[in-house]
Amino acid sequence: LAKTTQPISMDSYEGQEVNITCSHNNIATNDYITWYQQFPSQGPRFIIQGYKTKVTNEVASLFIPADRKSSTLSLPRVSLSDTAVYYCLVGDMDGNNRKLIWGLGTSLAVNP
Amino acid sequence: DSGVTQTPKHLITATGQRVTLRCSPRSGDLSVYWYQQSLDQGLQFLIQYYNGEERAKGNILERFSAQQFPDLHSELNLSSLELGDSALYFCASSVGGDPYEQYFGPGTRLTVT
Repeated sequence: LAKTTQPISMDSYEGQEVNITCSHNNIATNDYITWYQQFPSQGPRFIIQGYKTKVTNEVASLFIPADRKSSTLSLPRVSLSDTAVYYCLVGDMDGNNRKLIWGLGTSLAVNP
Repeated sequence: DSGVTQTPKHLITATGQRVTLRCSPRSGDLSVYWYQQSLDQGLQFLIQYYNGEERAKGNILERFSAQQFPDLHSELNLSSLELGDSALYFCASSVGGDPYEQYFGPGTRLTVT
């Protein structure tokens, strides 16, 4: 069954680029990789999704190598408000049952 | 505001009791997902319904059950509650059956005493 691994925590400073990597060795062939942001006592918020190569939107970029066994969320020029927990989500098949596999999250602290 | 609503916001109950959590998805979304989030286990996927049918199943205990009604709202029933069931329970919705872009509600905080 798929398992995702992320760093537990990261520290950064305002204005820096932050890269958070998630490993997902057994991602299902047809499944996408999705990243979410969560603030304390709130539900996660969708950031970005991709299947392979690179995807960019107005808030982040997502890099996925050809083997798709990992993905890297890139946050350009972080600010204090980017302090949050970041999760990667992949799908997997357990027999005929589809499961959603969430990482344990990376707690990002952005310092002034 | 994601457009997903959950009630109640807080719930305090005793061990052995049964509770029902309610979720209304965003307008137009056909899928509803239920999650449990506790401090020591992170975000755990419980179950997904798509247009009234069970679509995917996670680590949902047998004491827990869910359903999605014809108007697409969903309920999560938790019975024979234990102290370890204390957690934040989130509902999320998405347009289709694939779980990629989910919109989460504010959650229900359940405390079992």
